[in-house]
Amino acid sequence: DGGITQSPKYLFRKEGQNVTLSCEQNLNHDAMYWYRQDPGQGLRLIYYSQIVNDFQKGDIAEGYSVSREKKESFPLTVTSAQKNPTAFYLCASSTRDRALDEQFFGPGTRLTVL
Amino acid sequence: QQQVKQSPQSLIVQKGGISIINCAYENTAFDYFPWYQQFPGKGPALLIAIRPDVSEKKEGRFTISFNKSAKQFSLHIMDSQPGDSATYFCAAIRISSGSARQLTFGSGTQLTVLP
Repeated sequence: DGGITQSPKYLFRKEGQNVTLSCEQNLNHDAMYWYRQDPGQGLRLIYYSQIVNDFQKGDIAEGYSVSREKKESFPLTVTSAQKNPTAFYLCASSTRDRALDEQFFGPGTRLTVL
Repeated sequence: QQQVKQSPQSLIVQKGGISIINCAYENTAFDYFPWYQQFPGKGPALLIAIRPDVSEKKEGRFTISFNKSAKQFSLHIMDSQPGDSATYFCAAIRISSGSARQLTFGSGTQLTVLP
């Protein structure tokens, strides 16, 4: 089955720790995205990548970092610099040529900082 | 700055009724407007989308109405069913920029359809 997988589904972190969220896609999509979802605020873009070894900051990149070493993978690291990291994190992907049409979303990772 | 405003925040409809969700945008450069449906604990999925050169698009029970002059668009769900209960997000994107593929989302509407 083609799709986007995110792991883990639930993640708990102590304050001051960095944590990495996984996102893998087998859709052969060029572009990948990370969003953060908070109650009542919709989705906000953290980072996006249109091709391997290239990525751009979104609206709320502070306290986050990403890498894009492989086309299939776009991991997100939530660093200790992120002051309010508890949220639902969503990864998405799209073809570069048809990015205007649809972004496919993964099932999400719920991060809780203890 | 919230560029896409969505209302209502929550909506309760009886089975068979019409659900209406409204969105307004500020940036006239937006030129593609998708709606996403999200069930609890899942990622959003594209439901229907419209470009501003048409005033209405219908897919089954779902219809988007678009008013370019008012910078508003809305989702109508006809014959609403309990299975439609979900959170709905409107979004907007500037596809003509040729660079960023950034979707700007509304804040979401939690729809509950009573049996």
